[in-house]
Amino acid sequence: EAGVAQSPRYKIIEKRQSVAFWCNPISGHATLYWYQQILGQGPKLLIQFQNNGVVDDSQLPKDRFSAERLKGVDSTLKIQPAKLEDSAVYLCASSPGTGANTEAFFGQGTRLTVV
Amino acid sequence: GDSVTQMEGPVTLSEEAFLTINCTYTATGYPSLFWYVQYPGEGLQLLLKATKADDKGSNKGFEATYRKETTSFHLEKGSVQVSDSAVYFCALRRGEKLTFGTGTRLTIIP
Repeated sequence: EAGVAQSPRYKIIEKRQSVAFWCNPISGHATLYWYQQILGQGPKLLIQFQNNGVVDDSQLPKDRFSAERLKGVDSTLKIQPAKLEDSAVYLCASSPGTGANTEAFFGQGTRLTVV
Repeated sequence: GDSVTQMEGPVTLSEEAFLTINCTYTATGYPSLFWYVQYPGEGLQLLLKATKADDKGSNKGFEATYRKETTSFHLEKGSVQVSDSAVYFCALRRGEKLTFGTGTRLTIIP
């Protein structure tokens, strides 16, 4: 079974530029997560989708971050404009549902450096 | 809100040593508890899980027991190997939300 695919793996941009990340979850997984992992910290949830609806975006900085999940499959996360503090690894994960026993499967992440 | 607290790293051990990585949590209700591992250059992957009090999760020689009375889920392994070098994350799921600790970097030296 193919895992969660993310691209690009690495991205370097200047502050105030825009950037977009792409995620293709495991086929059939209804739930998709975007996490931000700053160096030395644990993953922090940015947004969670159930199919193509948003379940939780309470920690998404909506003035600069946006995300969509078209047709309940692939998802893109955009930052516009980027700030230095956005430098982090952006992790996408998917799961079949949200039950107590449900495992989340993670992609390898996109490492963003803002200079 | 929900939170997970892990012991500070990094942790460095010799091969065949006993490992404990402490994890405590704060959450209302009855969360499920997980340990994820991140090997160098790879994504996070599930190591083990427990869904109710007194459950023991185990995998690859690692174990953790869900202790509701102490709100803990400490990770243990009796004899570590160089290949166990990685970052370990404790996490809890309550309803739809999955919350992670800050991670503990483990290095095993031959």
